[in-house]
Amino acid sequence: AQSVSQHNHHVILSEAASLELGCNYSYGGTVNLFWYVQYPGQHLQLLLKYFSGDPLVKGIKGFEAEFIKSKFSFNLRKPSVQWSDTAEYFCAVPPDSSYKLIFGSGTRLLVRP
Amino acid sequence: DTGVSQNPRHKITKRGQNVTFRCDPISEHNRLYWYRQTLGQGPEFLTYFQNEAQLEKSRLLSDRFSAERPKGSFSTLEIQRTEQGDSAMYLCASSGRLAGGGPYEQYFGPGTRLTVT
Repeated sequence: AQSVSQHNHHVILSEAASLELGCNYSYGGTVNLFWYVQYPGQHLQLLLKYFSGDPLVKGIKGFEAEFIKSKFSFNLRKPSVQWSDTAEYFCAVPPDSSYKLIFGSGTRLLVRP
Repeated sequence: DTGVSQNPRHKITKRGQNVTFRCDPISEHNRLYWYRQTLGQGPEFLTYFQNEAQLEKSRLLSDRFSAERPKGSFSTLEIQRTEQGDSAMYLCASSGRLAGGGPYEQYFGPGTRLTVT
């Protein structure tokens, strides 16, 4: 079965530290990749997406992600985190022949001021 | 349009009771999805509609669960004979061919938190 793995379940950083959250997916068909973010008390919001083209994609709030096909990875990065980045981050992929999304288990990020 | 809305936001029910949730998608979105999320997990797909047709259902969707989307607009998710294991956040999302978006880009509602006592 197709799956998405997020290996970091909890990450604690100080403000201005750099962030990298891992995401690996299990299949090699046509790939569309998403990162969603859920701030405390808010609903899931799209952070960034990859459909095709440049494997380095930029999203909102200074986040970026790099699609590495050979590694089946789509890691999320931010050079300098802020306290307001405290949230839960989910990687998601639609499997072939479907519009549904398969989500990873999420990474809870806490940024200390 | 202000996005996907869901009602109620919270529901507490006793085991064995039936509950129904409503989702209003972004207008003109032709696809509507239901997911379930439990603590510490990502959303799990339950079912989705394209217009009024239910095109896919997860094996997670037992016979006690039923979803409808009459007229291809709002959708309802009903759980019959609720069990404590049904306690979760039920999320609705929609997608469509808006400018800047695509068929896979889903917009989520705030969810309905169900607690079965």
